[in-house]
Amino acid sequence: DVKVTQSSRYLVKRTGEKVFLECVQDMDHENMFWYRQDPGLGLRLIYFSYDVKMKEKGDIPEGYSVSREKKERFSLILESASTNQTSMYLCASSKRAGGLAGVGDTQYFGPGTRLTVL
Amino acid sequence: GESVGLHLPTLSVQEGDNSIINCAYSNSASDYFIWYKQESGKGPQFIIDIRSNMDKRQGQRVTVLLNKTVKHLSLQIAATQPGDSAVYFCAENTDKLIFGTGTRLQVFP
Repeated sequence: DVKVTQSSRYLVKRTGEKVFLECVQDMDHENMFWYRQDPGLGLRLIYFSYDVKMKEKGDIPEGYSVSREKKERFSLILESASTNQTSMYLCASSKRAGGLAGVGDTQYFGPGTRLTVL
Repeated sequence: GESVGLHLPTLSVQEGDNSIINCAYSNSASDYFIWYKQESGKGPQFIIDIRSNMDKRQGQRVTVLLNKTVKHLSLQIAATQPGDSAVYFCAENTDKLIFGTGTRLQVFP
């Protein structure tokens, strides 16, 4: 079974703090993703990575950065947390489909990190 | 914890009945579709997928139907159980996955 783990289930931070969210997958997937999920808005893609050291902006990258130093690990960084970044953060991974960079197959999700910024 | 979707459409069914959850997708070029189940406080869980060269695919107690003519996808759950209560959402794939906002399924005893 695919396993995607996230470092924290619940996190409370203060405005202005630097926040690191870690994600690890154990299926040797090329692609990894970070989403945030808010009521009524569904899943919105923040950043994704299709290879080590590679990253691509998603639909809402502002206020976030990412790091992919190893294939199995993808980190989301909030440089200076703000209250509007209070959300559920979901990490996902997928195999690369047909060898095409950025084109993936089924995405498998981690359990999520509920971040509250005070 | 906070609900994933406070304003989601809701389908209420009695335990043992069949459930049908619908999804309209936007891009006629989408070639791959996935249904996910998300229980409260958890990440989305893959249920079943279907490629655009098929119109039906069956899994264990679940069937996905694809109608490309009207860009419609449905998930049928047979003999719905209390453990099926969750938010269900579809995703369509072109060069990336686009997720729907979901439908909440409530199962009554």
